[in-house]
Amino acid sequence: SQTIHQWPATLVQPVGSPLSLECTVEGTSNPNLYWYRQAAGRGLQLLFYSVGIGQISSEVPQNLSASRPQDRQFILSSKKLLLSDSGFYLCAWSVLGGGTGELFFGEGSRLTVL
Amino acid sequence: SQQGEEDPQALSIQEGENATMNCSYKTSINNLQWYRQNSGRGLVHLILIRSNEREKHSGRLRVTLDTSKKSSSLLITASRAADTASYFCATDMASGSARQLTFGSGTQLTVLP
Repeated sequence: SQTIHQWPATLVQPVGSPLSLECTVEGTSNPNLYWYRQAAGRGLQLLFYSVGIGQISSEVPQNLSASRPQDRQFILSSKKLLLSDSGFYLCAWSVLGGGTGELFFGEGSRLTVL
Repeated sequence: SQQGEEDPQALSIQEGENATMNCSYKTSINNLQWYRQNSGRGLVHLILIRSNEREKHSGRLRVTLDTSKKSSSLLITASRAADTASYFCATDMASGSARQLTFGSGTQLTVLP
C-alpha cells in the first residue's frame, strides 16, 4: 500500500533562517507531488506541484522553492524565512496523468516563524 | 480567490442529528471531492462525484452535485462525536498532466455528545 511521510512535524524558526521540509512517498511510482499551505482556519493554497524529477511548477510567487531530486521525494525550502511563512504545510501525491485527481496527504508540518 | 466556498463556516449539532454542508464553485469542473481534516492532521479523501453525476452515497455520507447552480452538498447522517472535524470541498480542473485541486475554506463541524 502507498504511504506518505512528511517531516518535521513541528518547526519553530527565527525570521531570516533557512527552511527545509521533506516529503517522501512509498508504494507508488511516478506520482504527481504537491505542496500546499494552510493558514489558521483557512483552506489550502497550492504552492508547488511536480509531475516528474526536476519538474517543478510554482503557483504562488514567494520566497519558497521546491525541488524533486528523486521520483518519490519532494522538498520545500527557503533561504530566508518571513513571518508570513508561518502556517501548516501539507505534502500530497496523486496518480500521474490520468485518474480522478484524488489527493493523498501527509500529516503536515507546522511552521512557526518568530 | 478560492474556487470552492463552503457554507456554513461552522456548524454545531447534537449526536444523532444530520449535518449538511454546502459548497459553491465558479468554473466548470471535472469532478468535485470532499475531504475531512481532524485538527492538526492531514486531509483524508471522503468521496468524489463526477460532473455527470447528481448524487452519490458512501456509508453515512451523501453528496449531491448541481452543475447548473455550480453547487454541491455533503450530508452526514446520524452524526457521531467522532465526525467532529473540518470538511473541505475541492474542485478538479484538469490542467496538463497534473491534476490540480482547488480547495474551499472549509466547514468546521462540531458534534456534541
